[in-house]
Amino acid sequence: EPEVTQTPSHQVTQMGQEVILRCVPISNHLYFYWYRQILGQKVEFLVSFYNNEISEKSEIFDDQFSVERPDGSNFTLKIRSTKLEDSAMYFCASRARTGQETQYFGPGTRLLVL
Amino acid sequence: ELKVEQNPLFLSMQEGKNYTIYCNYSTTSDRLYWYRQDPGKSLESLFVLLSNGAVKQEGRLMASLDTKARLSTLHITAAVHDLSATYFCAVLFSSGTYKYIFGTGTRLKVLA
Repeated sequence: EPEVTQTPSHQVTQMGQEVILRCVPISNHLYFYWYRQILGQKVEFLVSFYNNEISEKSEIFDDQFSVERPDGSNFTLKIRSTKLEDSAMYFCASRARTGQETQYFGPGTRLLVL
Repeated sequence: ELKVEQNPLFLSMQEGKNYTIYCNYSTTSDRLYWYRQDPGKSLESLFVLLSNGAVKQEGRLMASLDTKARLSTLHITAAVHDLSATYFCAVLFSSGTYKYIFGTGTRLKVLA
């Protein structure tokens, strides 16, 4: 069964460094999402992406964050200058098309900023 | 303010018992989702509810939506240990912009 994959599974970085989190959505899916979950807390929406552009973003998704779909299969989240409070689990999700509402989540990348 | 509230936050129940998790939201919504999350794992989509009165069932779980009351319920029938997990509801708000807001989650523990 097709699934969303994410790499790396864990990343440790120093404050101020740039990180890129990678996701491969399910093939033929058209809608892509990033969420984060700080340990023990609820899931927070970051951004949605459709037709090669951001369709919605939350207040969390400030200028430090960017997303890209560089090659038609990968979907990346970049954090330009990480802060301690960026430490969280980051989930990518994809959805097939309009009318198909189920989002399929990847296994997540656990980011630790020191 | 867009808010999604779940209760209870924690639920410990005996196998074989029934219980309901509640999800209230603050304003008109287009979609309501229920997810399951096992410890240290990702989210698994359980249900998507699209309209008032929608009811969906899968195994021992049944979800319903009352858009007038801005309330969704996740009912557990004859709980089994395998249902132990954290359950999140999430709401898509589309007044002007689209935003997905998750509830705080309900940590369910089913005791054998």
